[in-house]
Amino acid sequence: SQLAEENSWALSVHEGESVTVNCSYKTSITALQWYRQKSGKGPAQLILIRSNEREKRNGRLRATLDTSSQSSSLSITATRCEDTAVYFCATDLDTNAYKVIFGKGTHLHVLP
Amino acid sequence: DAGVTQTPRHEVAEKGQTIILKCEPVSGHNDLFWYRQTKIQGLELLSYFRSKSLMEDGGAFKDRFKAEMLNSSFSTLKIQPTEPKDSAVYLCASSFGPDAETLYFGSGTRLTVL
Repeated sequence: SQLAEENSWALSVHEGESVTVNCSYKTSITALQWYRQKSGKGPAQLILIRSNEREKRNGRLRATLDTSSQSSSLSITATRCEDTAVYFCATDLDTNAYKVIFGKGTHLHVLP
Repeated sequence: DAGVTQTPRHEVAEKGQTIILKCEPVSGHNDLFWYRQTKIQGLELLSYFRSKSLMEDGGAFKDRFKAEMLNSSFSTLKIQPTEPKDSAVYLCASSFGPDAETLYFGSGTRLTVL
């Protein structure tokens, strides 16, 4: 079973709307990362939020982390067509911080 | 600075062949990862090196998959012999390490095994 999972396989929104992608994980972690992957490219990190942080922002992106419920969310405001991509959450195992495990991803489509 | 470079971008192999995928990490990075990506399984960790030492040998992948780090700036992933189920995108990533830090990915090699 997956150690980290996004809660939706696919989401569609219209340009300008806000969207939230959720992630749940199964172990204690040192950090949770959100990545975005566009077609034909490797994943690129958006935000890294450490286990002692509750929220982190990066421009139009906001990530939250709730270690008690072992969940995280990534919100994108004022979406643009170029936000269309697959969004992954990724966690490390607290005992093996080097081993970064990815969820299967949420496909986000931003429609004009 | 150059990012992670993977070659080739595409590879087509016949079943039973040996193929070697190549990766050049970001200069100065200590950690290097190989992942396999498929639609069904998502991103699966194949191998992990820290300062050229193999830390993760891929578990279920170890019988036909062998990753090597010949020096700090070059790694290979050999698949021998290839099978059709190996068709996937193979991604290489590097990071400064040592703890959960940003992974920088290459664009991947798309492998098709006929």
